[in-house]
Amino acid sequence: DIQMTQSPASLSASVGDRVTITCRASEGISNYLAWYQQKPGKVPKVLIFAASSLMSGVPSRFSGSGSGTDFTLTISDLQPDDVATYYCQKYNSVSFTFGPGTKVEIK
Amino acid sequence: EVELVESGGGLVQPGGSLRLSCAASGFSFGSYSMNWVRQAPGKGLEWLAYINTSGGTTSYADSVWGRFTISRDNAKNSVYLEMHNLRDEDAAVYYCARVGSRYYFEYWGQGTLVTVSP
Repeated sequence: DIQMTQSPASLSASVGDRVTITCRASEGISNYLAWYQQKPGKVPKVLIFAASSLMSGVPSRFSGSGSGTDFTLTISDLQPDDVATYYCQKYNSVSFTFGPGTKVEIK
Repeated sequence: EVELVESGGGLVQPGGSLRLSCAASGFSFGSYSMNWVRQAPGKGLEWLAYINTSGGTTSYADSVWGRFTISRDNAKNSVYLEMHNLRDEDAAVYYCARVGSRYYFEYWGQGTLVTVSP
């Protein structure tokens, strides 16, 4: 089975900072990669699919890139509303493994 | 408006069984694949099971293979998760999720809590 890893496990940054989260697949998954945001006590929300396509309604400060095994989620201008845990997920071959998550906090 | 409502959670003893249901509304249920995902307290998301539109294709995470069964009834707009031989580590909030235009999970229910305790 393909394993998903994320780094860092947590980060603390200031409002306005540029934040980058990395996700790595143990084997190539093309661009079958989604990013989710889960705020405390809430249901996950998909931000990005196909590695770099932004879901409708998601602020443009969120962006994704990558293909194959290495992917990144970037928040270009961190806002207090972005405090959450972010998960990557691969979705190929009817197998949908999530990464372990990255907790983002405001410094 | 798309709505997914899970039910069937509760307290079960180790080794016991439970059947979760997810009632869907607001979309053409039979046109979308469905999934179950769980989240243990303070832990991350774990995908559990997938079922395609007809129910003819299913897949499972290794952690639940052979113990959990996903099924659907398109006439009732519902997807189910039959869980057997439950263990302490199965305690979690269980979500059903509908795929989007690709196979990411676009819509999620609010979840149902499963507690495993003697």
